[in-house]
Amino acid sequence: AQKITQTQPGMFVQEKEAVTLDCTYDTSDQSYGLFWYKQPSSGEMIFLIYQGSYDEQNATEGRYSLNFQKARKSANLVISASQLGDSAMYFCAMREGLGSGNTGKLIFGQGTTLQVKP
Amino acid sequence: AAGVIQSPRHLIKEKRETATLKCYPIPRHDTVYWYQQGPGQDPQFLISFYEKMQSDKGSIPDRFSAQQFSDYHSELNMSSLELGDSALYFCASSPHAAREGVRGTQYFGPGTRLTVL
Repeated sequence: AQKITQTQPGMFVQEKEAVTLDCTYDTSDQSYGLFWYKQPSSGEMIFLIYQGSYDEQNATEGRYSLNFQKARKSANLVISASQLGDSAMYFCAMREGLGSGNTGKLIFGQGTTLQVKP
Repeated sequence: AAGVIQSPRHLIKEKRETATLKCYPIPRHDTVYWYQQGPGQDPQFLISFYEKMQSDKGSIPDRFSAQQFSDYHSELNMSSLELGDSALYFCASSPHAAREGVRGTQYFGPGTRLTVL
């Protein structure tokens, strides 16, 4: 069964510093997608970045980059130049490819709370 | 850009009452997913629809039902509400995975916060 693990319940980072949020996953599927979402205290779930299992390059979106290590089954989120507004809960999620009854639902990790200090 | 719309944003109900949550997906997104997020927990998949047909079902209680209508909006109906149903309910939409593959990003609505007293 697919599984996502985020081992850091909480992280602190100084404003303008970079921070890495860890995510490991487990799947027997060859085709899958990995997503990171941000959930501020207001509750909405904001899509940040996507990495496909067949993508050869690490994904980047502005200050967000994904350190994808397929052999280690890890997909860590790197936030550069942290801002106060980055303080939020961050969820790693996985979606397996179609087939074998997969229909695209997301499986989430437990989340990591990030606090940016001024 | 248009986003997923959910209504109501907040809902307070008594035990054993019923509730209906509505979701309007992003235009041209034909797949809708419902997730439940309990306090301090990660979102859990409830049910999904593609082209008005149920496509997958997760750990959704039998007291809950859902459907997708011809205009692609979806409704989650919850009956005999229990205290444990208090949660944030998200609707997400995406283009169908058959066209987008695993890339079909799910965009979430703002959620409906249900409180059962």
